[in-house]
Amino acid sequence: EVQLVQSGAEVKKPGESLRISCKVAGYSLTTNWISWVRQMPGKGLEWMGRIDPNDSYTNYRQSLQGHVTISADKSINTAYLQWSSLKASDTAMYYCATRDGSLGFFDNWGQGTLVTVSS
Amino acid sequence: DIQMTQSPSSLSASVGDRVTITCRASQAIYNYLNWYQQKPGKAPNLLIYAASNLQSGVPSRFSGSRSGTDFTLSISTLHPEDFATYFCHQSHSTPNTFGQGTKLEI
Repeated sequence: EVQLVQSGAEVKKPGESLRISCKVAGYSLTTNWISWVRQMPGKGLEWMGRIDPNDSYTNYRQSLQGHVTISADKSINTAYLQWSSLKASDTAMYYCATRDGSLGFFDNWGQGTLVTVSS
Repeated sequence: DIQMTQSPSSLSASVGDRVTITCRASQAIYNYLNWYQQKPGKAPNLLIYAASNLQSGVPSRFSGSRSGTDFTLSISTLHPEDFATYFCHQSHSTPNTFGQGTKLEI
C-alpha cells in the first residue's frame, strides 16, 4: 500500500523560512512525479507545482515561481516544499500527491500539512 | 490557464437521491478530467479518472461521463457517507486546474 506521510503543522512569522516534507512509503519515490496542492482556509484546491524525482525536473504555477521551491531526495524517498520568505498569504493546508505518469490524476495523497503564517 | 467551471457550488439532497455535478473546461482537455471527494479535515480522494474510469475501491454508484468539454459526475443513490465536497481536476495542461468545488449537503 502506498502511503504519503507529511510533516507536522507549522506556525511561522512573515519573512521566516520553512521546509515541509512528504515521505513516500510502499513504493519508490521515482515511480511517479510528486505534485504539491494548496488549499487556503475554506477554499478550493490549487496546483502549485510538481517534480520528477528521477532528475529533479520541476514545473511551477507561474504565480508561485521564485516564491517556492520543490525538491526531492531519492535516497530517503522524500519530497519537499520550501519557502525562503513566508507571507501571511501562504497560510494554507498543503498536500503532496503522486501523479499518474500518463493521465496525470492524483491517486495517492498525503494527510496534509497546515502552515500558519502570522505576526 | 484552462478554466474549470464547476456547478452547482452547493447542492442539497437526501439519502437515496440521484445527483449530478458538472464541470465545463474552457478549452479542449479530451479525457484528462478527474473527480475527487473531500471530507472535512481530510485530503481529497480520487473517485474517477480519465473522465469515466472508476478508481479501484470506489463504489459503483459513482460514475463519470464526458460530452465535448462538459464533464459530469453522477452518484446514483446517495449514501450518508457521500455528503462531502467534490472537485473536478484537469490534468491535460500545466498548470493543472481544479473546479471551485461542489458541497453536497443534506
